[in-house]
Amino acid sequence: ILNVEQSPQSLHVQEGDSTNFTCSFPSSNFYALHWYRWETAKSPEALFVMTLNGDEKKKGRISATLNTKEGYSYLYIKGSQPEDSATYLCAPYYGGSQGNLIFGKGTKLSVKP
Amino acid sequence: DAGVTQSPTHLIKTRGQQVTLRCSPKSGHDTVSWYQQALGQGPQFIFQYYEEEERQRGNFPDRFSGHQFPNYSSELNVNALLLGDSALYLCASSLRRGGNQPQHFGDGTRLSIL
Repeated sequence: ILNVEQSPQSLHVQEGDSTNFTCSFPSSNFYALHWYRWETAKSPEALFVMTLNGDEKKKGRISATLNTKEGYSYLYIKGSQPEDSATYLCAPYYGGSQGNLIFGKGTKLSVKP
Repeated sequence: DAGVTQSPTHLIKTRGQQVTLRCSPKSGHDTVSWYQQALGQGPQFIFQYYEEEERQRGNFPDRFSGHQFPNYSSELNVNALLLGDSALYLCASSLRRGGNQPQHFGDGTRLSIL
């Protein structure tokens, strides 16, 4: 059974703070890494899909990096805003017999105004 | 452009009963995946349907079965319900199979087993 670790489990920051989360995953037979943002009472929303080692993606104030050799990804939020409050989920995709996306438990971010 | 829609929103059943959950994918998508999210956990993959066939399956018993229709909509069936089946069930659609496509999720069906 593949284990995907996300840290921290939760994070409380002030508006304007910059923050980052970590996603660790087994690197063997890795194919792609997905990040999703899940706001309360809404559905998970795709942020990034990354496949290449060293890949960097950016969407507004949010960016992500990927290291496929050591099996980790970082998600960065610059100048956090209250609307960034959500649970951030990472999910590597291995395909084949491993199944579809393997989700971590997520990092719950709360941004205080 | 309609996104992924799931029905019903909430459902209460008793142990031993059977349940059917429904999902309509985002317009243009042909692949549907189902996930179970228990409290405090990340979503767990149940199975994926493409071209009306189950293509991938996670670690779930045969009590969990599904179907995909020609219009790409899908159903998740669970037989002989157990208390442990209480969870949020998410449907996600994507264009084609493969891990390089983002998945689009519905709002989920909250299933409670009494």
